[in-house]
Amino acid sequence: DIQMTQSPSSVSASVGDRVTLTCRASQNIGNWLAWYQLKPGKAPRLLIYSASTLLNSGVPSRFSGSGFGTDFTLTISSLQPEDFATYFCQQAKSFPRTFGQGTRVEIK
Amino acid sequence: QVQLQESGPGLVKPSETLSLTCSVPEASFSGYYWSWIRQPPGRSLEWIGYIYYTGSTSYNPSLKSRVAMSVDTSKSQFSLALNSVTAADTAVYYCAGAPNENFFDFWGQGTLVTVSS
Repeated sequence: DIQMTQSPSSVSASVGDRVTLTCRASQNIGNWLAWYQLKPGKAPRLLIYSASTLLNSGVPSRFSGSGFGTDFTLTISSLQPEDFATYFCQQAKSFPRTFGQGTRVEIK
Repeated sequence: QVQLQESGPGLVKPSETLSLTCSVPEASFSGYYWSWIRQPPGRSLEWIGYIYYTGSTSYNPSLKSRVAMSVDTSKSQFSLALNSVTAADTAVYYCAGAPNENFFDFWGQGTLVTVSS
């Protein structure tokens, strides 16, 4: 299985801050990567797929993704109150599909 | 945004079968891959498997011996059965869907299933 490692495990930030989350794959996955946002009691939300493509259904442009191969980043350019959540990366290069352990974005 | 809804018992006894159903808006059922994903308390997400609307499946090898998925196109529903459960199967179970087998475009809110006697 492809292992996905996210860092940091949590980050404290303030509204308006620029936040960058990292995801590393244990082997080359090309651009077969997605980012999800999870909030307690709510349906998880796909934000970005194919490493850098913003989902075309209301995902704000302050979210962006980059990377190829083994190293990927999710950037929130200006953190908003609704962005405090846990973010997971997921690889789609091979089966079984696997997720990172998540990065929790907390209010500073 | 397609809204999915999981349903099923919140408590299952050890060694029994966990059964969940996901309801999908009728207009969105055909042509999609339907997955189950779970998150044990304090842990990451685990992909359980998917079923295509035609009935073809792909399961996580770590669970394959205990998992079965099925579809009911007449009801726009798909289901998960996980047998011989233990406490390690306690998790929030999500259903999810996508037009391809790669990513998970839309999800249900999740349902907590606890395995306990």
